Amino acid sequence: NAGVTQTPKFRVLKTGQSMTLLCAQDMNHEYMYWYRQDPGMGLRLIHYSVGEGTTAKGEVPDGYNVSRLKKQNFLLGLESAAPSQTSVYFCASSYSWRGPYEQYFGPGTRLTVT
Amino acid sequence: KNEVEQSPQNLTAQEGEFITINCSYSVGISALHWLQQHPGGGIVSLFMLSSGKKKHGRLIATINIQEKHSSLHITASHPRDSAVYICAVPYSGGGADGLTFGKGTHLIIQP
Repeated sequence: NAGVTQTPKFRVLKTGQSMTLLCAQDMNHEYMYWYRQDPGMGLRLIHYSVGEGTTAKGEVPDGYNVSRLKKQNFLLGLESAAPSQTSVYFCASSYSWRGPYEQYFGPGTRLTVT
Repeated sequence: KNEVEQSPQNLTAQEGEFITINCSYSVGISALHWLQQHPGGGIVSLFMLSSGKKKHGRLIATINIQEKHSSLHITASHPRDSAVYICAVPYSGGGADGLTFGKGTHLIIQP
């Protein structure tokens, strides 16, 4: 099992450009999450999904969109990147319907917006 | 939203010392998570606990639900324990809607 994988690992964008971060998990988990990690702020929840075709906003959703067309994939989109979105992005997944839910994290994507 | 406070923010200790990291939260929860992040960034789940105490090797986690407080202990600390330790709880107390995190404790164990 690969667990949770993220693509790409690093990316540099210019302000206004768009991109999509891909998260994939092979554990048949229902729940998937996107977090961002910033120095001094810790990890914060951007969006999450409790199943295929469903998404919900987290603590810091502005400037991001997400889609969960397949159970194993959770995409995070930046339509018009801003320097404030420079961060390390982590995806996580967890099992469903019987809590509490241990989360499995991907290796992270380091994004720089210039 | 649940609020999480961790202490200390930074901790430097000598090899072999007993380490304690504390975490408190504001809203009743289904479970609390302790995570470890090494330089280079990967995040690993150490413990998930909803009551009492759990032990894994030299790591022990305890939780007091009534006081909304948890501690992570490391016995016989070793330089390879150097990492950031993060406490996390469900964002709204329940469990399905993601986690909210403490700012982490940066631990350095010197030989």
